[in-house]
Amino acid sequence: ETAVFQTPNYHVTQVGNEVSFNCKQTLGHDTMYWYKQDSKKLLKIMFSYNNKQLIVNETVPRRFSPQSSDKAHLNLRIKSVEPEDSAVYLCASSLFEQYFGPGTRLTVL
Amino acid sequence: GDSVTQTEGLVTLTKGLPVMLNCTYQTTYSPFLFWYVQHLNEAPKLLLKSSTDNKRTEHQGFYATLHKSSSSFHLQKSSVQLSDSALYFCALSEMSNYNVLYFGSGTKLTVEP
Repeated sequence: ETAVFQTPNYHVTQVGNEVSFNCKQTLGHDTMYWYKQDSKKLLKIMFSYNNKQLIVNETVPRRFSPQSSDKAHLNLRIKSVEPEDSAVYLCASSLFEQYFGPGTRLTVL
Repeated sequence: GDSVTQTEGLVTLTKGLPVMLNCTYQTTYSPFLFWYVQHLNEAPKLLLKSSTDNKRTEHQGFYATLHKSSSSFHLQKSSVQLSDSALYFCALSEMSNYNVLYFGSGTKLTVEP
């Protein structure tokens, strides 16, 4: 049963454009995350929010900016995308163990 | 910093055989280890978790034991099925850092008839 929802499922764009991805969780968790899964399937933490506050910000280019309106929503904006941003972006939420959304696949041409 | 190592990138087995996927970790904190399974085009899903030294944990026929002395949390199954074909990730949780997960590089398990 899906409890972490992500939109869109796929997005194709060109270098230099801005994109935004949305994530919503209905589990009542306080903590949400963005992970990046690259073409080699490597999973790496990007950001973590706890109750709307940014608490973890790994080494991520400044063109990436997370946004949270409330503890159930966490969005990700990428200004001026680059080819290496092509990946699957996975949102997760956690009380302790993490539950992942289905991901948004970004392709940058 | 924290890190997780999975030595096998690709494992191919015949149905019915046993499997062991290796996972070792490095951390300066008290470890909490996880195994996640990701089927093709799906989200990673939790398979196993443990923070208790030398205690076997089991789920869906898979099992693992956290050994703090050797910093290991290997995943095992006695008889693999076709439906076990997937990507398996070992992950370390940094509980002091809001449970952020640090993943190994993953092992792709392919089970053949």
